[in-house]
Amino acid sequence: QKEVEQDPGPLSVPEGAIVSLNCTYSNSAFQYFMWYRQYSRKGPELLMYTYSSGNKEDGRFTAQVDKSSKYISLFIRDSQPSDSATYLCAASRGDKIIFGKGTRLHILP
Amino acid sequence: ETGVTQTPRHLVMGMTNKKSLKCEQHLGHNAMYWYKQSAKKPLELMFVYNFKEQTENNSVPSRFSPECPNSSHLFLHLHTLQPEDSALYLCASSQPGEPTSGITDTQYFGPGTRLTVL
Repeated sequence: QKEVEQDPGPLSVPEGAIVSLNCTYSNSAFQYFMWYRQYSRKGPELLMYTYSSGNKEDGRFTAQVDKSSKYISLFIRDSQPSDSATYLCAASRGDKIIFGKGTRLHILP
Repeated sequence: ETGVTQTPRHLVMGMTNKKSLKCEQHLGHNAMYWYKQSAKKPLELMFVYNFKEQTENNSVPSRFSPECPNSSHLFLHLHTLQPEDSALYLCASSQPGEPTSGITDTQYFGPGTRLTVL
């Protein structure tokens, strides 16, 4: 079993919809959880970062971690065409970061 | 120039060529990383340098040779590559936190070098 699993998509949703992106992980020692956004021909950029379980909100983005089920989620409200990108989830024990494969998201105007 | 820059942005090379990828960070960070990103695969960490010292080598073949002359520059020397080495090579940098802070360091990525091995 891979340490961080993520459905590669692609996921297509209409503009204005709520987007839900998800990952699962296997290592219970992971304490730090991240979401990166990667636009075409660019490197990943850190979008959200959470420590342990709970929710974190930043504008239209909400990151959620459920350590009991080893589930990581990213919600995007009022999705915009500019949100179209690949979203990578990642987890860490505090040393190296383990990435998921990334989910390609298309927001349809 | 700000952030993390990488050159060249695109590289096509034959299996017998020798080439180098360059990364430069303007963020004052002390850690630098090389990652490989292949289609339909997770980002793969290749090498880590902390304060110019290599601290991690993730079983990378010897045809990839990193060099970190100072904390702002990182190179990846390539020789006798294989077609399966074609990928996006990403450089990242971070400022390691204190050991007791409990905060993992945020990595800032460059735009990558798209490498094609013929």
